[in-house]
Order: sequence, then structure tokens, then C-alpha cells
Amino acid sequence: EVQLMESGGDLVQPGGSLRLSCVASGFTFGTSAMSWVRQGPGKGLEWVSGIISSGARTYYADSVKGRFSISRDNSKNTLYLQMNSLRAEDTAVYYCAKDRTTVTFDFWGQGTLVTVSS
Amino acid sequence: QSVLTQPPSVSAAPGQKVTISCSGSNSDIGDNYVSWYQQVPGTAPKLLIYDNSKRPSGIPDRFSGSKSGTSATLGITGLQPGDEADYYCGTWDSILSAGVFGAGTKVTVL
Repeated sequence: EVQLMESGGDLVQPGGSLRLSCVASGFTFGTSAMSWVRQGPGKGLEWVSGIISSGARTYYADSVKGRFSISRDNSKNTLYLQMNSLRAEDTAVYYCAKDRTTVTFDFWGQGTLVTVSS
Repeated sequence: QSVLTQPPSVSAAPGQKVTISCSGSNSDIGDNYVSWYQQVPGTAPKLLIYDNSKRPSGIPDRFSGSKSGTSATLGITGLQPGDEADYYCGTWDSILSAGVFGAGTKVTVL
């Protein structure tokens, strides 16, 4: 059974930093592209960032480019999202998702809540 | 503001059919496959359709997808109360090199 378990969400002040983690199991993590997708309160889905299976290439939404960094440790079956210079508009539930193909997410985690507020 | 345009809501009686449109541009829908997701509020999204029209195992054939040019459509036949949810289209934008979603469509079963 495929499982994706996010963690690291918290309340953080504007300008602060946070690192999210997503531990994967039930599939060959090292051969799967992965992404982060977020959903603000009462809002729709927003693709945040993606990374190919080797970690050699990464992609970002314009809204987070230069502030967020996606990475992975295939030896630990873990995906990360380092978030710096956080803003109120970054407040959202952050989902880790397995890419079947480009922007085709066949499995999702349960999400972790990030709240940016003073 | 979402890159892909979806109607905010659609509704129909049980047993009827609804269609949800997703409009984009040459660089997103026009150049890439489209996927569709169902999200019941408070839960994670679920993949319904991928590669424009394919269904993952376990998704009933009441759900169908199609694409023409820069638009895609999700169809739901034999509408059931359990189909009440938000539905999102998604694809890749070849110019932005980024994923894009529609704003979502709320389906109501009358």
C-alpha cells in the first residue's frame, strides 16, 4: 500500500522558515518524481514544486521561486520542502504527491498545515 | 488567479449527467496531458482521470475525460450523492515549466 506521510507543519511568524518532510512507503521512491501541492484556507489547489526521481532537476511556481527549495533523500525515502521568507499568503495545507507522470498525481499524503502569522 | 478556467459550480439531479469544462492555452492544455481530481472537503484530492481520458484502477466508468485543442472536459454520468465534491483539472505549462490547476468546480447533487 502506498503511503505518504507529511510532517513539519507549524505556526511560524512572517519572514520565518520551516522545513516540511514527506516519508514515502509502498512504492519505489527512488524511481518516482514527486511534488508539493498546497491549498490555502477555502481555496483551490496550487502546485508548488516538483523534483525528478534523481533529484537532479527541480521546478517551482513563480510564487515561491527563490524562497522555497525542494529536495529528496532516496536512501531515506523522504521528500523535503525548505521554506524561507515565509509570508501570510503561504498559509495552507501542504500535500506531498507522487507523480505518475508530469502533473499527474496518483497518490497524495494527508497534508500538513503551515500557518504564517504574527 | 488560476491559469486554467473552470466553472465555479455545476449541479444536477441524481442519475443525471454533468460536464465540467477546463479551458487553457497552447502552452498548457494545448501542449500537455490533462488530469482531473476529486476532492471531498477535508480530505486529500484523488486522481480521477489522467492522460486526458484514462481512468486509474478503481475509478468507475461513470467518470470520463476528453480533450480538444486548448480545452478539456470531465463528464460524470449517473450522478450519485457521493459525487458531491470539488473537481480540479491540472496540467503542465511548457513555457512556465510549472504545474497549473484550475480553480475548481463544486458539483452539487440536487
